[in-house]
Amino acid sequence: KAGVTQTPRYLIKTRGQQVTLSCSPISGHRSVSWYQQTPGQGLQFLFEYFSETQRNKGNFPGRFSGRQFSNSRSEMNVSTLELGDSALYLCASSLRIQGGEAFFGQGTRLTVV
Amino acid sequence: ELKVEQNPLFLSMQEGKNYTIYCNYSTTSDRLYWYRQDPGKSLESLFVLLSNGAVKQEGRLMASLDTKARLSTLHITAAVHDLSATYFCAVDKEGGSEKLVFGKGTKLTVNP
Repeated sequence: KAGVTQTPRYLIKTRGQQVTLSCSPISGHRSVSWYQQTPGQGLQFLFEYFSETQRNKGNFPGRFSGRQFSNSRSEMNVSTLELGDSALYLCASSLRIQGGEAFFGQGTRLTVV
Repeated sequence: ELKVEQNPLFLSMQEGKNYTIYCNYSTTSDRLYWYRQDPGKSLESLFVLLSNGAVKQEGRLMASLDTKARLSTLHITAAVHDLSATYFCAVDKEGGSEKLVFGKGTKLTVNP
């Protein structure tokens, strides 16, 4: 079966711009979570959505937001981009909100210049 | 706040040797995961450990969980070059504020 699909794979944006990243979970998975990976901070949890509702949110500024659609696809948006937002953004899907094994997509590499 | 510590962070070993990566976590947890990441790639799920004393093996890798000690180990047997990657442990806590809390990863290099 198809895995987690993230688009686009690579993005270059300018400071101050905004960006939207997309994630299609594994068919049947209703939980989608997002992580930011940087060399300095490692893997950090951004937020999790289940049944179109944000269930958990990590310690990130309000510039980071997301949503989930009725088909479980999710988008995350970063507004007013800063250089420090350059990172690999990973999306993971799981069958349920707690205790479900998380399967990760290939990630979106965002570079802010 | 749940914290996860891995050690070592860097590991260089020769092919054929054995070694263990350690993962300590700060509070009781429900599940522990091990992931592998190759450079520029995503995270590949290796093991899911659900209960105290759980042991899982796949090829040259074996993972175990001791919930009383809040410790998981990833043991590498007779390492081969293909095992070179970064290995992460992650903890999932029921009712926690984060989906998964990751360790900083162990970058493993296996030299011929």
